[in-house]
Amino acid sequence: NAGVTQTPKFQVLKTGQSMTLQCAQDMNHNSMYWYRQDPGMGLRLIYYSASEGTTDKGEVPNGYNVSRLNKREFSLRLESAAPSQTSVYFCASSSRVVLLYGYTFGSGTRLTVV
Amino acid sequence: DAKTTQPNSMESNEEEPVHLPCNHSTISGTDYIHWYRQLPSQGPEYVIHGLTSNVNNRMASLAIAEDRKSSTLILHRATLRDAAVYYCILFRGGGADGLTFGKGTHLIIQP
Repeated sequence: NAGVTQTPKFQVLKTGQSMTLQCAQDMNHNSMYWYRQDPGMGLRLIYYSASEGTTDKGEVPNGYNVSRLNKREFSLRLESAAPSQTSVYFCASSSRVVLLYGYTFGSGTRLTVV
Repeated sequence: DAKTTQPNSMESNEEEPVHLPCNHSTISGTDYIHWYRQLPSQGPEYVIHGLTSNVNNRMASLAIAEDRKSSTLILHRATLRDAAVYYCILFRGGGADGLTFGKGTHLIIQP
């Protein structure tokens, strides 16, 4: 049981380039989330998908787009990367019984924009 | 959203108990108290949660004040592998709009 899988683990982009961060979960969870974490800070919510077919903005959505491809997969796209988007990105998922099992996080994608 | 207040850092010795405090004076009746921890270079992991009563699981214990305005995460016998950032988070049951993280407490374990 892999849990939440994120790809790639590391990426370096030039300013203005685009890329898509991939996230997949194999726990049949309904809800999925994208967070970013800057050095010395807690995680901040970028976008989330409460269920398949829906997406909503979180605290820091500017400069990002998301796609809930199916129940398993939730991708995050940077259309024109900026140095301010240098961060560690975490994907998470949760079930309707989140109170029993909590949220499950991936191991992160470390993105550097130069 | 109701906020939590935690010390920036704490230090403890290996094999001793650790008590990590959290204040949440504006907690509402439907807020659950969740604790997560983040080991170095990893994503956060769920530790424990509670509503009103004290809770125990294989990782830790959670002691909740009678007025629910504070709580304490208890690691009964700390190991070096418990060195991490611990986050106390209020979560409104039934919602699917994500967790709100603060800066947490950086726990340092001395051998």
